[in-house]
Amino acid sequence: EVQLVESGGGLVQPGGSPRLSCAASGFSFSSYAMHWVRQAPGKGLEHVAVISSNGGSTYYANSVKGRFTISRDDSKNTLFLQMGSLRAEDMAVYYCARGSTGSCYSSMDVWGKGTTVTVSS
Amino acid sequence: DIVMTQSPDSLAVSLGERATINCRSSQSVLYSSNNRNYLAWYQQKPGHPPKLLIYWASTRESGVPDRFSGSGSGTDFTLTISSLQAEDVAVYYCQQYYSTPFTFGPGTKVDIK
Repeated sequence: EVQLVESGGGLVQPGGSPRLSCAASGFSFSSYAMHWVRQAPGKGLEHVAVISSNGGSTYYANSVKGRFTISRDDSKNTLFLQMGSLRAEDMAVYYCARGSTGSCYSSMDVWGKGTTVTVSS
Repeated sequence: DIVMTQSPDSLAVSLGERATINCRSSQSVLYSSNNRNYLAWYQQKPGHPPKLLIYWASTRESGVPDRFSGSGSGTDFTLTISSLQAEDVAVYYCQQYYSTPFTFGPGTKVDIK
């Protein structure tokens, strides 16, 4: 079964630097681009970051550029999102999603259930 | 950045009737070299992650019922549910993946009348 399972969310203080993980199974992880998408409470979807299948291309939302870093470890079938300088507006459910191809420029065909990041002192 | 807008914000349709959602991009998402529109539609039910319905503006994802269809090109797109079922109550989002940062529309909430 194709599956994505996020972890690493929780209560974080403003300015904190949590790392989110997404464990993939049931497919050839190294063949696909991978994305992070977030959803603030009661709000719509915001694309956060994407990494190509070979890791050579990464793109970020303007709101997180310079603060967040997306990376992947194909040997562990795991996607990461290193978050930094967290702000109240970063509070959201963070979803990991598989790109439909190895290119960043593709739709997202498999989604995890999400992990919640709460920013509060 | 490409701005995505959707209309209406919400709609209520009787069971078995047609639901139509519009999506507009602030610039064309049609890539001329392959004649593909880099536009996807997602369905999100409360408490669940989004689900891919349509990609390349009009290609239905495997397993998606054929009552869902996508159309349009360039900057104007439409998602149509030909005969609304109770399980289609959800929020629907369009998304462009033509240029970074990738952007979503604000969503359209579909309910039963």
